[in-house]
Amino acid sequence: AQKITQTQPGMFVQEKEAVTLDCTYDTSDQSYGLFWYKQPSSGEMIFLIYQGSYDEQNATEGRYSLNFQKARKSANLVISASQLGDSAMYFCAMRDSDSWGKLQFGSGTQVVVTP
Amino acid sequence: NAGVTQTPKFRILKIGQSMTLQCTQDMNHNYMYWYRQDPGMGLKLIYYSVGAGITDKGEVPNGYNVSRSTTEDFPLRLELAAPSQTSVYFCASSQGLIYNEQFFGPGTRLTVL
Repeated sequence: AQKITQTQPGMFVQEKEAVTLDCTYDTSDQSYGLFWYKQPSSGEMIFLIYQGSYDEQNATEGRYSLNFQKARKSANLVISASQLGDSAMYFCAMRDSDSWGKLQFGSGTQVVVTP
Repeated sequence: NAGVTQTPKFRILKIGQSMTLQCTQDMNHNYMYWYRQDPGMGLKLIYYSVGAGITDKGEVPNGYNVSRSTTEDFPLRLELAAPSQTSVYFCASSQGLIYNEQFFGPGTRLTVL
């Protein structure tokens, strides 16, 4: 069963605007971690931000913030003040006790930032 | 501190050939993983290791083998390459099990013709 769902295959956003990428997850574990990775066209996987299941505050890293709604099993990524270099594929992922902490990835959201 | 390194970056194989994808990390991480990414898709787990000498299958292990003789190295072996193994392969490592990010290598783009 799909554990991570990203419902937006692609999005356009104008430079300097904020964009929200949706992610819902499914796990019966109490302990889990939620991650967002960026994959630019060059192909590498770049870690952006992390939220632990017991963290009460939403995670923030520079222009990235994670809107964590535990009861709704939602972990949306917000990118503020978009830049042209933010154009990339974004993956939501989760680690729980399944397979010794493997990352379970969603299908990704392609973001294109326009001038 | 190089992080996670993978070689080669690109490779073309003929059907039936074999090869080893190398992965090395210098962060002393116990947990290491091999993923494959097919075009337009997320990553799927091939094999993982929780320490030297301990490996186990992931979601898509058929056609692959791994070994982990040291903490640093986690090579992936492809036997009898098939076109279905055309993909980008990523090696990753992490310090902990759940609450730590995985660090990824740059990937190996493999084409089987």
